[in-house]
Amino acid sequence: DGGITQSPKYLFRKEGQNVTLSCEQNLNHDAMYWYRQDPGQGLRLIYYSQIVNDFQKGDIAEGYSVSREKKESFPLTVTSAQKNPTAFYLCASSIFGTRETQYFGPGTRLLVL
Amino acid sequence: SQQGEEDPQALSIQEGENATMNCSYKTSINNLQWYRQNSGRGLVHLILIRSNEREKHSGRLRVTLDTSKKSSSLLITASRAADTASYFCATDHGSARQLTFGSGTQLTVLP
Repeated sequence: DGGITQSPKYLFRKEGQNVTLSCEQNLNHDAMYWYRQDPGQGLRLIYYSQIVNDFQKGDIAEGYSVSREKKESFPLTVTSAQKNPTAFYLCASSIFGTRETQYFGPGTRLLVL
Repeated sequence: SQQGEEDPQALSIQEGENATMNCSYKTSINNLQWYRQNSGRGLVHLILIRSNEREKHSGRLRVTLDTSKKSSSLLITASRAADTASYFCATDHGSARQLTFGSGTQLTVLP
């Protein structure tokens, strides 16, 4: 089956800890994105990547880091510098541009212990 | 902010009725998209309408776009309980190299 997978479904972070959220796609899409969603809110863009080994900051990149070493994978690290990390994190991809239809993964809910 | 704003924030209707939700935005767009999100899940793309289009249909969905009023509407006809979800509009403003999502309309369809 083609699609986007995210893992884990739930993630718990201790104070001062870095955690990494996984995102994999087998759609052969060039562009990938990370969004953060807070309760009752829309999506805010954290980072996006239009090509391997290149990525751009979104609106709320502070406290987060990404890598794009392979076309299929776009992991997001929530660093200890992110003081309010509790949220629902969504990964998406699109065929090429940032403006076309985006296909979303099922999400990872991050909670702070 | 260029963010789209959906209206109403919440909508509750009976099964079989039509549901209409609106999206307004502030600056010109290349395209506007509607997405659906079931509780605790990822978003699913519903329809994309380009700035030179006025209306698009997909099954029970009808989307209109009025660029003079900077607004779009999503109509779901003959609603079903399974349509219960949050619906988001997302706008491509061209100058910003990203989609901008609104805060969504929570639709509840009562059986």
